[in-house]
Amino acid sequence: QIQLVQSGAEVRKPGASVKVSCKASGYTFTASYIHWVRQAPGQGHEWMGWIDPNSGGAIYGEKFQGRVTMTRDTSSSTAYMEVSSLRSDDTAVYYCAREPQGGSFYSDYWGQGTLVTVSS
Amino acid sequence: QSVLTQPPSVSGAPGQRVTISCTGNSSNIGAGYDVHWYQHLPGTAPKLLIYRNNNRPSGVPDRFFGSKSGTSASLAITGLQAEDEADYYCQSYDRSLSAWVFGGGTKLTVL
Repeated sequence: QIQLVQSGAEVRKPGASVKVSCKASGYTFTASYIHWVRQAPGQGHEWMGWIDPNSGGAIYGEKFQGRVTMTRDTSSSTAYMEVSSLRSDDTAVYYCAREPQGGSFYSDYWGQGTLVTVSS
Repeated sequence: QSVLTQPPSVSGAPGQRVTISCTGNSSNIGAGYDVHWYQHLPGTAPKLLIYRNNNRPSGVPDRFFGSKSGTSASLAITGLQAEDEADYYCQSYDRSLSAWVFGGGTKLTVL
């Protein structure tokens, strides 16, 4: 069965970076885009961008350009999302999610989420 | 402030029918982009409930029904069950923002 398994919770100080992983299984990793979405405490979901695991190309939401980097390792079917220059308002649960086909504009499988806490 | 607007909460007794609205504008739902719905229990992975306005993935009961009209969409749940108690989110694409956009979420309470 299709699964996206994310790395565990992280705590960082303001100004630091954090890298979250998302290991895919149960399908051909390079056949579907991976999106990243976050949800801050008490807030709605916020789309961050997506990566094409086949080419490695990524598109970032305007708010995250320059501070977020999405990469992948096809040998381990794992996608990564790194946020730099962390601020307190980056405290959120970060999710990876699979878009079944390019242009579907929805996700059919999600990871369990990774809590990132930014605190001095 | 979410781009798509949902009521913060809805409630209903077991067996009843509830609806959750999702209102957008001419850059997203009104521009013809599809609406998708997710069920989310805190601490777990969100689950796709409805895709492309009114399609249910395999395994989703037909008690869940999606619709779309103009700049809005709705999720209807019939025959409410205790296990339906969760947060529900709508999602679409916004051409002005070139981004996926979400509703703020609706907490369903089964009385």
